[in-house]
Amino acid sequence: SQQGEEDPQALSIQEGENATMNCSYKTSINNLQWYRQNSGRGLVHLILIRSNEREKHSGRLRVTLDTSKKSSSLLITASRAADTASYFCATDSYIGGGADGLTFGKGTHLIIQP
Amino acid sequence: DTAVSQTPKYLVTQMGNDKSIKCEQNLGHDTMYWYKQDSKKFLKIMFSYNNKELIINETVPNRFSPKSPDKAHLNLHINSLELGDSAVYFCASRRDRAANTEAFFGQGTRLTVV
Repeated sequence: SQQGEEDPQALSIQEGENATMNCSYKTSINNLQWYRQNSGRGLVHLILIRSNEREKHSGRLRVTLDTSKKSSSLLITASRAADTASYFCATDSYIGGGADGLTFGKGTHLIIQP
Repeated sequence: DTAVSQTPKYLVTQMGNDKSIKCEQNLGHDTMYWYKQDSKKFLKIMFSYNNKELIINETVPNRFSPKSPDKAHLNLHINSLELGDSAVYFCASRRDRAANTEAFFGQGTRLTVV
């Protein structure tokens, strides 16, 4: 079953505005990660937040994690046209006794209007 | 200098053919993966390898056979291609099976079966 579910599925905002995307998951996690995928490209890691952390910042990115609600949010401040991409949350699965592959949500497609 | 490289980038082939996708990482990582991304951008893990050993096979048809000649390479061979195999296939690597590490993705191979 799918671990992460992002919402909204699509988001269109004006350049300079803030963009917020949410992710919910179902099982206990060790960490939650966010990735960006530009059109026709591979995924690029943005930020990792551990299960014992509540908030993390990286440049214009802010990630929160609420393990009691099994949810996370990604905030991009002062958006730019170059932020147009799909954003995925991902959690670690432990099948073979280690972190054996990230389970991804369906993604949020973010469009920044110039 | 590309960290995770996969070839070819595009692959168009007829039903019933056999094809291979190659992947190499120059990061010195122990763990490599194959993911399949469908037309709705949903990413699903197919295989996980650690130090050339198969860790996870996520109920992938046995027409798909991964091969890891060394820990820097994880190739994917697909026999008797079907229309439903059309997707983008991503190779990825991580430092090891420990949690709290990011994954590095290749640029993807867009497979179209006609």
